[in-house]
Amino acid sequence: GESVGLHLPTLSVQEGDNSIINCAYSNSASDYFIWYKQESGKGPQFIIDIRSNMDKRQGQRVTVLLNKTVKHLSLQIAATQPGDSAVYFCAENRAGGYSTLTFGKGTMLLVSP
Amino acid sequence: SQTIHQWPATLVQPVGSPLSLECTVEGTSNPNLYWYRQAAGRGLQLLFYSVGIGQISSEVPQNLSASRPQDRQFILSSKKLLLSDSGFYLCAFTLGRQNTEAFFGQGTRLTVV
Repeated sequence: GESVGLHLPTLSVQEGDNSIINCAYSNSASDYFIWYKQESGKGPQFIIDIRSNMDKRQGQRVTVLLNKTVKHLSLQIAATQPGDSAVYFCAENRAGGYSTLTFGKGTMLLVSP
Repeated sequence: SQTIHQWPATLVQPVGSPLSLECTVEGTSNPNLYWYRQAAGRGLQLLFYSVGIGQISSEVPQNLSASRPQDRQFILSSKKLLLSDSGFYLCAFTLGRQNTEAFFGQGTRLTVV
């Protein structure tokens, strides 16, 4: 699978900076996308989602952008905090499926105080 | 609200021994259930999913099997573990057929020695 076999890329930022984590998804038929945060030794936790009829969605300190033309998804975290340090995964769900999510490779975010 | 429980949290097993990891969901009925595996520093790989009792779909042929003896119970098993079965195993569920987020358990760290 796409998410297996590669070491995680790492993004290092200073506390207070804005972070942008990128993800390229694989299936043009996917119509629902999610960002997850996974802290060490724990299961992934939902951050924010977006449907394919949207190109932007905002949450608390986070914004997800969707570019269907190039099959690209990004997560923007404003005023990054040390507690944001974790691995971030994007996931896509194909249209009409049983919500079987396909996960991206993941990006490790390291926030320095 | 819905909750998911997965156990044990950690497990060390010798090569050739059997495996049984259990996952239960509370607070909902007829969830879609999933088993994922995550190798150290890697992404999430879907192993099995189930849309109903006794219905199991395998995404990756391997040394593992899954069963769903009850609506909200999902079990991951192996008759003889291999060293390559070591990893972080995550159970997850989604609600219904519509596109929704997946909720993850806290994971089981399996080390085969």
